[in-house]
Amino acid sequence: AQSVTQPDIHITVSEGASLELRCNYSYGATPYLFWYVQSPGQGLQLLLKYFSGDTLVQGIKGFEAEFKRSQSSFNLRKPSVHWSDAAEYFCAVGLGGTSGTYKYIFGTGTRLKVLA
Amino acid sequence: DAMVIQNPRYQVTQFGKPVTLSCSQTLNHNVMYWYQQKSSQAPKLLFHYYDKDFNNEADTPDNFQSRRPNTSFCFLDIRSPGLGDAAMYLCATSRGRHNQPQHFGDGTRLSIL
Repeated sequence: AQSVTQPDIHITVSEGASLELRCNYSYGATPYLFWYVQSPGQGLQLLLKYFSGDTLVQGIKGFEAEFKRSQSSFNLRKPSVHWSDAAEYFCAVGLGGTSGTYKYIFGTGTRLKVLA
Repeated sequence: DAMVIQNPRYQVTQFGKPVTLSCSQTLNHNVMYWYQQKSSQAPKLLFHYYDKDFNNEADTPDNFQSRRPNTSFCFLDIRSPGLGDAAMYLCATSRGRHNQPQHFGDGTRLSIL
């Protein structure tokens, strides 16, 4: 069955420290992968996406993610975290429907806290 | 900027009193989605429209209905809200093709008295 796992429910890092958020997926075909960020009381904002090609993808706000097929992972990284990065982060796999309509399977999210 | 707009941002209704949430988009996307998100949980897809074709999720309660009168607008109707329906409701859109991401609105926070 298709699934997305984000093993870390909460992560706390100090401002300026590096960050890695984990995402593992289970999907039979080549996955379409996304990372979103959600600030409190807001909608989801797309950080980056992977469809094919270079397995290291760059996103907005200084984030990057690396697709590793052998590990079924798509981990999100940032070299130096800012206090404004405190938010909830969701990993998602896109499923193609018969009509081409995309639905997502979301991970359960990782809540990031940043210490000053 | 092209965007997805949800109104209102906050909605309070009474137990059992019908309520309608609104979503509009200027992206001209084929697909519009409605999600329910409860505290500290991932968004849960309720249904989506591909153009005029309605696609309901198997576990979406009958209490939830949707309308899409045109490309730009989509409505979520909750016929008889219960306390368990208090949540954030998110609207999203996409082009409905492979490799196209979903774009989300800021959501409507629904409270039930």
